[in-house]
Amino acid sequence: GQNIDQPTEMTATEGAIVQINCTYQTSGFNGLFWYQQHAGEAPTFLSYNVLDGLEEKGRFSSFLSRSKGYSYLLLKELQMKDSASYLCAVMDSNYQLIWGAGTKLIIKP
Amino acid sequence: DVKVTQSSRYLVKRTGEKVFLECVQDMDHENMFWYRQDPGLGLRLIYFSYDVKMKEKGDIPEGYSVSREKKERFSLILESASTNQTSMYLCASSSGTETTGELFFGEGSRLTVL
Repeated sequence: GQNIDQPTEMTATEGAIVQINCTYQTSGFNGLFWYQQHAGEAPTFLSYNVLDGLEEKGRFSSFLSRSKGYSYLLLKELQMKDSASYLCAVMDSNYQLIWGAGTKLIIKP
Repeated sequence: DVKVTQSSRYLVKRTGEKVFLECVQDMDHENMFWYRQDPGLGLRLIYFSYDVKMKEKGDIPEGYSVSREKKERFSLILESASTNQTSMYLCASSSGTETTGELFFGEGSRLTVL
């Protein structure tokens, strides 16, 4: 079966760095997405990786290793507004998105 | 500002009632999707549509139907609501020409079935 695994919850301190991991087993691979979802709000797109390596976008970076079925989202200089759930999703060979359950990130002052 | 609008943020219905959830997007997107989101589970795809009057079943279509009479509007219908359909329902759209397939989501409709 297809599976996306990510930690349920993580806690980090304002100003620090946090890495949220995502491992996947899917039927084929056509890209990996990270979305951010604040409580009670719509998910919003953060990043897309289809090739191995690191994609940097401001304070957020996303890494992909296709051979290991692994990605991480790196958040630097954490701010209180980064408290949210982070959803990992993989597009399979049929171009359908398989979603992880999300990682709730709690930022403490 | 691009927008996906869902008609109701919160609904409370009784078992057996027919429920309509409306979704409208203003981005001229070809693709539209209905997901449900439950605690501890990833988003699960109910139905999707790649064109007007076209619909495809997702992973959990049982108990649901959809309608897409116009490009901008995608409706989710619960013919006879049941308590296990209590959930957050998310509508999303994407462009058929964008290779990344980025989804734009609505704010969600939280449905409670009593």
